[in-house]
Amino acid sequence: QVQLQQWGAGLLKPSETLSLTCAVYGGSFSGYYWSWIRQPPGKGLEWIGDISHSGGTSYNPSLKSRVTISLDTSKNQFFLKLNSVTAADTAVYYCSRGGGTYYVVYFQQWGQGTLVTVSS
Amino acid sequence: QSVLTQPPSASGTPGQRVTISCSGGSSNIGSNTVNWYQQLPGTAPKLVNYNNNQRPSGVPDRFSGSKSGTSASLAISGLQSEDEADYYCATWDDSLNGRVFGGGTKLTVL
Repeated sequence: QVQLQQWGAGLLKPSETLSLTCAVYGGSFSGYYWSWIRQPPGKGLEWIGDISHSGGTSYNPSLKSRVTISLDTSKNQFFLKLNSVTAADTAVYYCSRGGGTYYVVYFQQWGQGTLVTVSS
Repeated sequence: QSVLTQPPSASGTPGQRVTISCSGGSSNIGSNTVNWYQQLPGTAPKLVNYNNNQRPSGVPDRFSGSKSGTSASLAISGLQSEDEADYYCATWDDSLNGRVFGGGTKLTVL
């Protein structure tokens, strides 16, 4: 059974860069989409973006200018970078493995979530 | 404001059948499949239905999804106390060129 474990800095100042890592245990990258989703405190889910096993990326248009998702198959890890953060980026960030095809990805497994707070 | 509209709350008593709706448009639900996620308090979401009406392994058959036109729904029969959670629908939106979630529905088991 595949497991996702994520980590990264939990407290940032405005204008800094958010960096998170998600490690994949018990499965390969091949054939799946690897995604990041966030949830502001007390609010709903927001898709940030994903990367395919071959390295193709897709981003939320509202975040596209600030987001980079990458992967390192040799380490079974994928990454999220979000530049120039503000208080509006405060949220729990989840990594996820997605099945399906490009337009019909469904998030099958999720990491435990990382609370990232942006505050001066 | 999400492009997928869900009722903010729903409720039922143990054993009842409840339905959670998800309303969209031609660019999202009308042309793409719908997935549903259950989020128990303080935990990560869990996939309970995908491709409109498919159940992942391990999800009870009490959970069933359907889609008609630009709307989708998740029905939970034989309601149990452990079903109390937030539920989210999700799909791809051709106009926004991205994946979208509904605003979520908080299900209370009375």
